[in-house]
Amino acid sequence: ETAVFQTPNYHVTQVGNEVSFNCKQTLGHDTMYWYKQDSKKLLKIMFSYNNKQLIVNETVPRRFSPQSSDKAHLNLRIKSVEPEDSAVYLCASSLLGGQDTQYFGPGTRLLVL
Amino acid sequence: TQTVSQSDAHVTVFEGDSVELRCNYSYGGSIYLSWYIQHHGRGLQFLLKYYSGNPVVQGVNGFEAEFSKSDSSFHLRKASVHWSDSAVYFCAVSAWAQGLTFGLGTRVSVFP
Repeated sequence: ETAVFQTPNYHVTQVGNEVSFNCKQTLGHDTMYWYKQDSKKLLKIMFSYNNKQLIVNETVPRRFSPQSSDKAHLNLRIKSVEPEDSAVYLCASSLLGGQDTQYFGPGTRLLVL
Repeated sequence: TQTVSQSDAHVTVFEGDSVELRCNYSYGGSIYLSWYIQHHGRGLQFLLKYYSGNPVVQGVNGFEAEFSKSDSSFHLRKASVHWSDSAVYFCAVSAWAQGLTFGLGTRVSVFP
């Protein structure tokens, strides 16, 4: 049963545009994450966030930023997309930190033309 | 820095066969090890995890994994695969309050 929801499923845009992806979890978890999965299936952590701490992977370009209204939501904003941003973006949540099981959403596929 | 190595990019098996997917990691501190499965076009689903205790952990759908500190390994096994086990399998490690570091994944193809 899905408990981590992501919208949209798929988004096509042009270089330089701004996009925003939504993620909501109904598990009552305190920590949420964003991952990027490229065309070769390589998965990389982008952000880890709870109400106390934001951890950013230092390899993430500054045009990416997480936005949270409450602990159940963590959106991802890309200020000015580049072709290399084409990927699947996966949102996840866990009860507390890294020791807890992470539950993933279905992903948002981004295509930058 | 945590690293995860999955030595097999693709494994082909027949239904009913056993399968072992290899995972080796490197990290100096306390870590959590886990396996996830990703069916085509879907998100990741949790299979099992290990932190301490019995080195053999049982997961969903008949999967199990064995932790070895001496080998820095956390290999995944299943005694008898089903066609629905065809997917990409990811080994992952994590430390406190951090996201998961994934291996490159192993694609498993199960033939009837």
